[in-house]
Amino acid sequence: GAGVSQSPSNKVTEKGKDVELRCDPISGHTALYWYRQRLGQGLEFLIYFQGNSAPDKSGLPSDRFSAERTGESVSTLTIQRTQQEDSAVYLCASSPLTGTGHNVIFGQGTRLTVV
Amino acid sequence: AQTVTQSQPEMSVQEAETVTLSCTYDTSESDYYLFWYKQPPSRQMILVIRQEAYKQQNATENRFSVNFQKAAKSFSLKISDSQLGDAAMYFCAYSPPPGYALNFGKGTSLLVTP
Repeated sequence: GAGVSQSPSNKVTEKGKDVELRCDPISGHTALYWYRQRLGQGLEFLIYFQGNSAPDKSGLPSDRFSAERTGESVSTLTIQRTQQEDSAVYLCASSPLTGTGHNVIFGQGTRLTVV
Repeated sequence: AQTVTQSQPEMSVQEAETVTLSCTYDTSESDYYLFWYKQPPSRQMILVIRQEAYKQQNATENRFSVNFQKAAKSFSLKISDSQLGDAAMYFCAYSPPPGYALNFGKGTSLLVTP
């Protein structure tokens, strides 16, 4: 597609439920990133994919968080047993790894509210 | 570890005037990328400008330009002829060569007054 697409745009869930957040990167972008942005804060790195593998998972805050990517395309971030502290905007971004560009393009994010 | 510091939590500028947002970073790498992103209330992170460290020439995109001082590890953003639509959060970010995550500063909130 023309841009990075994330769904849903907004998600309200009850504490203790599992949620899945989806990211469709720009076609041909090999790298994919997930970030978390709490209210009024900067961006926290969660995980990075190169193709379908994740060489850097260092930002995942706990074992309740996991992510996968298939077909060097769509990625899903899963949060199990959600807690109120998980409430944030989850941003996905993608970029090419070849060529002269290193343009990291972001989606509009998913606003997750845990009640 | 690389860190990015934005020392100005808030800045204000009048329409048509010029404003400079500051950013410093810490790294031991010689080759890296620096970015400025704009985040309006829509929360979309919009790439404003990008600088490659091995290029000495400062990047420019229309009304946006940077002052890249590699030795001082400084990367400021200048917005000329400010417009109301420039009001947003601005984030400075650092990245090693492609294939690594971006490290972001905490952001500067820019207010543009008529």
